[in-house]
Amino acid sequence: DTEVTQTPKHLVMGMTNKKSLKCEQHMGHRAMYWYKQKAKKPPELMFVYSYEKLSINESVPSRFSPECPNSSLLNLHLHALQPEDSALYLCASSTVSTNEKLFFGSGTQLSVL
Amino acid sequence: GENVEQHPSTLSVQEGDSAVIKCTYSDSASNYFPWYKQELGKGPQLIIDIRSNVGEKKDQRIAVTLNKTAKHFSLHITETQPEDSAVYFCAASTVGTDSWGKFQFGAGTQVVVTP
Repeated sequence: DTEVTQTPKHLVMGMTNKKSLKCEQHMGHRAMYWYKQKAKKPPELMFVYSYEKLSINESVPSRFSPECPNSSLLNLHLHALQPEDSALYLCASSTVSTNEKLFFGSGTQLSVL
Repeated sequence: GENVEQHPSTLSVQEGDSAVIKCTYSDSASNYFPWYKQELGKGPQLIIDIRSNVGEKKDQRIAVTLNKTAKHFSLHITETQPEDSAVYFCAASTVGTDSWGKFQFGAGTQVVVTP
C-alpha cells in the first residue's frame, strides 16, 4: 500500500463551524506533513510531525490545530476559519531517513463561506 | 532564502514531441532537486529527483539535468503522451539540515499534450 488517503475530498464550512480533516497512511512512514495549496500555486508547508510529535509549525494561525494520534493518522482541526483559508489541503508522508521523498494524498478541497 | 524560478508557465506540445521545463535557483547550498507532477484533482506526485553530486538522471521518457555552476536544472519529457498533461513543479531543498518538507517550489508549468 503506497497510498496516502485523505477524507473528506470536499468540505464546505461556515466561519463559525468546527471541522476536521483526516489523513491516513500504512507505509510505515514516521513523518507526516500538512500543506496548503491555493489555486494555480505550489504547495506551502504548514506542519511537520516526526515520530508523532510536532516538529515544525510554519507560523500557522491557531485556528488550524494539527493532531497526530498514532503513526498512521494525522488530523487537522479547523475552527473559526476565514474565507481566505479556502484552499486544497494536502497531507504527505515520508520516512524519517529519506524525508525529502514525499508521498502526497489527493487533498481536501476546502471552501469557507 | 532560496528562490526558484520556473519557465515556461504554460507549455503546449503535440503528442510525440518533446517538452522541456527549466528552473533556476539562488541558494548555492541547495543540494536536492525534485520534480512533482500534479494531475487535476490529485496531489503532487514525485516523478524524478536529482542530487547536487549528479549531473543527469533518466527514468524511461523523463530526464533531469543539473548545472550547479549556473544554478539551473531542467526536466525533459520525450515522446509526450496525453497522460503527460498536468502541472509540473520543480523544487529545491537543502537535505541534511532541518529541511523537513521545506521545499522552495517553482510556480509550476501547465503542460498540455494535444493528440
